[in-house]
Amino acid sequence: GQQLNQSPQSMFIQEGEDVSMNCTSSSIFNTWLWYKQDPGEGPVLLIALYKAGELTSNGRLTAQFGITRKDSFLNISASIPSDVGIYFCAGLHFGNEKLTFGTGTRLTIIP
Amino acid sequence: DTEVTQTPKHLVMGMTNKKSLKCEQHMGHRAMYWYKQKAKKPPELMFVYSYEKLSINESVPSRFSPECPNSSLLNLHLHALQPEDSALYLCASSQGPVTGELFFGEGSRLTVL
Repeated sequence: GQQLNQSPQSMFIQEGEDVSMNCTSSSIFNTWLWYKQDPGEGPVLLIALYKAGELTSNGRLTAQFGITRKDSFLNISASIPSDVGIYFCAGLHFGNEKLTFGTGTRLTIIP
Repeated sequence: DTEVTQTPKHLVMGMTNKKSLKCEQHMGHRAMYWYKQKAKKPPELMFVYSYEKLSINESVPSRFSPECPNSSLLNLHLHALQPEDSALYLCASSQGPVTGELFFGEGSRLTVL
């Protein structure tokens, strides 16, 4: 099946650093979403994007819907310990009920 | 109430057992989902219920049987599972069936011996 490739696969950063991750697809999506999953819990929606070129913020998080509609980016500014977890991008085709999830980016903060 | 509640949180079962996973939401959402997640992998869609009708079955083996008794409840009946079915089973709901804005429960961690 279709796969969304996320990079990097994992990141090790120090508290206070900014983080950038991206998600690419071989096909176009009409909606891009970013979820975060903490250990032992279900994913939580962070940001949803509905229009090519759209830039949306949620606190320290900013996400962009790529112009080509085949990619999306997530930035986290001034990381804090609770940012640790796995970040999944997800794409949705218009009129479709099935989300396609990315491979995930695992964020670890080094003390 | 913005929660999706799943029970049990942990389940250990033998290959001949019959058990059920339960999911409940009171947000008035009309779409509910079962996902399976293996360690270090993204969630994989199993079933979608839209307005209490099964709308997607992702070729899931018949040993998994979903049921949607009403718009707030979703069950997953398990029978004759295999050890490779051990995983985190996530329930999710959304306002409508074609939005990607899912609310996930904490999951039921299933171990098949």
